Amino acid sequence: DAKTTQPPSMDCAEGRAANLPCNHSTISGNEYVYWYRQIHSQGPQYIIHGLKNNETNEMASLIITEDRKSSTLILPHATLRDTAVYYCIVRVGLYSSASKIIFGSGTRLSIRP
Amino acid sequence: EAGVVQSPRYKIIEKKQPVAFWCNPISGHNTLYWYLQNLGQGPELLIRYENEEAVDDSQLPKDRFSAERLKGVDSTLKIQPAELGDSAVYLCASSRDRFTGELFFGEGSRLTVL
Repeated sequence: DAKTTQPPSMDCAEGRAANLPCNHSTISGNEYVYWYRQIHSQGPQYIIHGLKNNETNEMASLIITEDRKSSTLILPHATLRDTAVYYCIVRVGLYSSASKIIFGSGTRLSIRP
Repeated sequence: EAGVVQSPRYKIIEKKQPVAFWCNPISGHNTLYWYLQNLGQGPELLIRYENEEAVDDSQLPKDRFSAERLKGVDSTLKIQPAELGDSAVYLCASSRDRFTGELFFGEGSRLTVL
């Protein structure tokens, strides 16, 4: 599985959009980008995933560059409850039994009032 | 729908004592995972089960750690004997099958070894 690089920490004002970057320059054609987050004292929570098209759900939007070497997770209107560690993960495609969700160090996002 | 349930939430033991953690996955989820999370780091995969079969246990320290998933539902992770360095959070997760990357995690079991 390709490795990812994320900034160790970021902050954002409440109500503004939080844009969390992730570099995955060695990503292969059949690898998906997944995002999870972990709020303090809880287990990680799945947010969103994508292959090459931009994706949106009720939690966030995922923007993947055309060359797929980087992506951005967007929380459109950040609230204090979005304070968490956000993990960007690259995972081999759906039909590989060897595929794993491997976490890095993530980005610690702080939302300020 | 009930989520992944883990117990105990907290456990404090003396070194060299045994300890066990229990996990009840989401109903119908065939794949179960145990992760270890040290303070300030991301979770690390210890073992993955497909139904009752351990299909990936390469990261499980087999000299002192063991796991089982009888009948392909609940799972138990055991450490015997515990060492100081085992102090961490032990996370259980489940997914519908081995193909999906959408894992559902429990709240974890925090172990402190004195």
